[in-house]
Amino acid sequence: AQSVAQPEDQVNVAEGNPLTVKCTYSVSGNPYLFWYVQYPNRGLQFLLKYITGDNLVKGSYGFEAEFNKSQTSFHLKKPSVLVSDSALYFCAVRGGGADGLTFGKGTHLIIQP
Amino acid sequence: DTAVSQTPKYLVTQMGNDKSIKCEQNLGHDTMYWYKQDSKKFLKIMFSYNNKELIINETVPNRFSPKSPDKAHLNLHINSLELGDSAVYFCASSQSTGTRGTGELFFGEGSRLTVL
Repeated sequence: AQSVAQPEDQVNVAEGNPLTVKCTYSVSGNPYLFWYVQYPNRGLQFLLKYITGDNLVKGSYGFEAEFNKSQTSFHLKKPSVLVSDSALYFCAVRGGGADGLTFGKGTHLIIQP
Repeated sequence: DTAVSQTPKYLVTQMGNDKSIKCEQNLGHDTMYWYKQDSKKFLKIMFSYNNKELIINETVPNRFSPKSPDKAHLNLHINSLELGDSAVYFCASSQSTGTRGTGELFFGEGSRLTVL
């Protein structure tokens, strides 16, 4: 069975500082990895994905993520955060022939002005 | 135009009632999903349909019955509602390629179900 771990319930970052939100995964076969963002009372919005190729993936709103196969990690990064980045971030994986995505429990990102 | 639309957005009902949530996508995708998000924001897949065929049916009470009249629609009917069914239900769609889709899921805005 595939699984995703997001070890941090909440991450606090000052505006303008860099961000890392951690994600590790467990899956059989090659992983397809995703990050989504959810604003209050909204649906999930796709940020970026890793399927194959370059380990550094760039996505929407200046976010990027680094795939590390040996550490089975896919951490989300942003060089300089904005207050408007405050939201709930989900890491997800698809693998082992499954069609649906398995999500982590989410990490609340709080950006302090 | 909204890519994945769900109705209703809010649903308040009494225990024991039957209710339905409708979902439509205009992205031309061949796979649709229902996810449940509980009060702790945990997301769990419930069902997945590919070209109107059920392909994922997680451990969900049989009071929940999905129906896909065509590949653009996936509805969720819930019988005999219980307090524990209170949650936000998200519909999503994706385009699958081959035996495993590589495409991301596109989500609707969610339907918040409150059972009293």
